Amino acid sequence: DQQVKQNSPSLSVQEGRISILNCDYTNSMFDYFLWYKKYPAEGPTFLISISSIKDKNEDGRFTVFLNKSAKHLSLHIVPSQPGDSAVYFCAASSDNFNKFYFGSGTKLNVKP
Amino acid sequence: DTAVSQTPKYLVTQMGNDKSIKCEQNLGHDTMYWYKQDSKKFLKIMFSYNNKELIINETVPNRFSPKSPDKAHLNLHINSLELGDSAVYFCASSQVRATEAFFGQGTRLTVV
Repeated sequence: DQQVKQNSPSLSVQEGRISILNCDYTNSMFDYFLWYKKYPAEGPTFLISISSIKDKNEDGRFTVFLNKSAKHLSLHIVPSQPGDSAVYFCAASSDNFNKFYFGSGTKLNVKP
Repeated sequence: DTAVSQTPKYLVTQMGNDKSIKCEQNLGHDTMYWYKQDSKKFLKIMFSYNNKELIINETVPNRFSPKSPDKAHLNLHINSLELGDSAVYFCASSQVRATEAFFGQGTRLTVV
C-alpha cells in the first residue's frame, strides 16, 4: 500500500518552460515532504523540502507547493534546463516514523 | 569527499550464496538506513538504525541481517540469495529527526 504516489511516470518539457511534477500522499501524519533528484547509476540527491506548517518553499528555480487539505504537493522548475533531466522522487516523513516514504518517481526530460 | 559511500557498486552472484554490502557515512549523522529499489522503481525502507540500535525493520526476510559496528557504518548481509533479491540497494543517513537523507550511489545486486 503506497502512501506516497507519483502518478505520472514521465514528463517531457521544452527548455525554458515550466516543469510541474506532482505527488499525492494518503497519511495525514506526514509533516515533512522532500523532493529528490536521481541521475542514472547514482543515488537520489536531496533537492528541496517543505514542512507541513508552510504551503510554499522556494529555492532558486525550484519551488515546492503543499496543499494539505488535498494531500498534494508539487515541484515547479522554472525555467527548465536540459541538465534537469532526471528522475524526481517525492518523499514524506514524520517525527513519529523516523523513515521516509517514497513515490515511484517521475522521469523528467527537458528538450533543448 | 564522498558523504555516503557503499561498496560494491555492482554485485553479480549465484542463487544460494551469501553476500555483504558495506556502507559508511562521514557526515556525523546518527541515523542510517537501507532502502531497496525494486523493479517497479519504488524506494522502500528495509532497516533504520539510530546510534547503532535497530529502530525499524520493515517485514524483511530473516535472510537479511544489518550490522552496525559503529554509527558511521551500516552493513547489509544477505544469506541464501534468491532471484527475487535482485534490486538496487541504497544506503542513506540523516539526522535523527529524519529531515533530508543523504544517499549512497547504490549497489545493483543481480542474482543468477
